Amino acid sequence: GAVVSQHPSRVICKSGTSVKIECRSLDFQATTMFWYRQFPKQSLMLMATSNEGSKATYEQGVEKDKFLINHASLTLSTLTVTSAHPEDSSFYICSARDNHSPLHFGNGTRLTVT
Amino acid sequence: AQSVTQLGSHVSVSEGALVLLRCNYSSSVPPYLFWYVQYPNQGLQLLLKYTSAATLVKGINGFEAEFKKSETSFHLTKPSAHMSDAAEYFCAVTNNNAGNMLTFGGGTRLMVKP
Repeated sequence: GAVVSQHPSRVICKSGTSVKIECRSLDFQATTMFWYRQFPKQSLMLMATSNEGSKATYEQGVEKDKFLINHASLTLSTLTVTSAHPEDSSFYICSARDNHSPLHFGNGTRLTVT
Repeated sequence: AQSVTQLGSHVSVSEGALVLLRCNYSSSVPPYLFWYVQYPNQGLQLLLKYTSAATLVKGINGFEAEFKKSETSFHLTKPSAHMSDAAEYFCAVTNNNAGNMLTFGGGTRLMVKP
């Protein structure tokens, strides 16, 4: 069964609003979580790495004030897209691992900003 | 710095035919290489990984890949394609066994004709 749960799977929001995406590890403690973004017909791009209890490390070119990542517990990380715009429409995927397990990916969230 | 190139964004094969998806990498350190499969609107599923043990790696669903250092390649193969293999495949490289901080190739969409 799925070991990483990502919610919601799809979300449509209006421009200017904020959207929160949750990533939960179901049967292990995720010391590290990763957030990826996939543009249509393109590959996944790592956005940020988050470690439980500390600030996320963002990849170059990713606006940390726009994409807020919170990894407050060992089983939950959230990505909040603030003041969303149509160009933020994309497929967002999280992945998680602990110190022993392989990397597990969530099923992704398709965000559409109208 | 690391990079991955997947030759052919689309590959079409007939059911029962050989599947060959190409992946070439660039890495300044010994690489760890991964192949992932992505079904529509889903996250990534690990097919197999190379972690400096055997150069021929067998994965799930009958897939395998061979690490060739001299060619900096890690091509994915399957002797006989099934309709259910139709999906997008991503090759990825990193510098750690755990699969953190993956750099993905552009992806190859595999289509299987009946």
